[in-house]
Amino acid sequence: DGGITQSPKYLFRKEGQNVTLSCEQNLNHDAMYWYRQDPGQGLRLIYYSQIVNDFQKGDIAEGYSVSREKKESFPLTVTSAQKNPTAFYLCASSHLQGTWQPQHFGDGTRLSIL
Amino acid sequence: GQQLNQSPQSMFIQEGEDVSMNCTSSSIFNTWLWYKQDPGEGPVLLIALYKAGELTSNGRLTAQFGITRKDSFLNISASIPSDVGIYFCAGHRDNAGNMLTFGGGTRLMVKP
Repeated sequence: DGGITQSPKYLFRKEGQNVTLSCEQNLNHDAMYWYRQDPGQGLRLIYYSQIVNDFQKGDIAEGYSVSREKKESFPLTVTSAQKNPTAFYLCASSHLQGTWQPQHFGDGTRLSIL
Repeated sequence: GQQLNQSPQSMFIQEGEDVSMNCTSSSIFNTWLWYKQDPGEGPVLLIALYKAGELTSNGRLTAQFGITRKDSFLNISASIPSDVGIYFCAGHRDNAGNMLTFGGGTRLMVKP
């Protein structure tokens, strides 16, 4: 089935540790996005990428890093510089060619601090 | 970044009741989207609206793109327990690339 796969579902981070969240899509979408969701709040954009080997900061990029070495993959690293990393992280993707199309989301990764 | 004003923030209703929620903005959007998020899952697209005044249905769900292009409404008729979740609106502007602006969500709880 075509879709967006995020892993792991749950992740725990120790103080001072970097952790990487995986996002893979087999929809042949050009653009991929990472959002952070805190309880009772909407989605805030961390980073996005419209093409391989290129990405841009969103509204809350500090303490995060990404890479886009392959069209289907857009991993997010939560670095030790992110002092409040506990949140639900959502990956999304969308087409960029032709008529504008909405973003579709993966099932998320919940990150907690040990 | 800007967020849309979505209301109400939460609703606790009896099964069978109808539900209304809305999203407003101080600026114009070209497309309005409504997503539903089940607990612990990612948002799923329910309805997309592409034209001012457009009224679109998806089963028991009906959404409208406001005439002013600054608001959108979602109605759920005859609610059932599986309607529980968080409903998000999102807006897109043609001059914003592929970026979306999200509302803060409406948490819906249904009492059987």
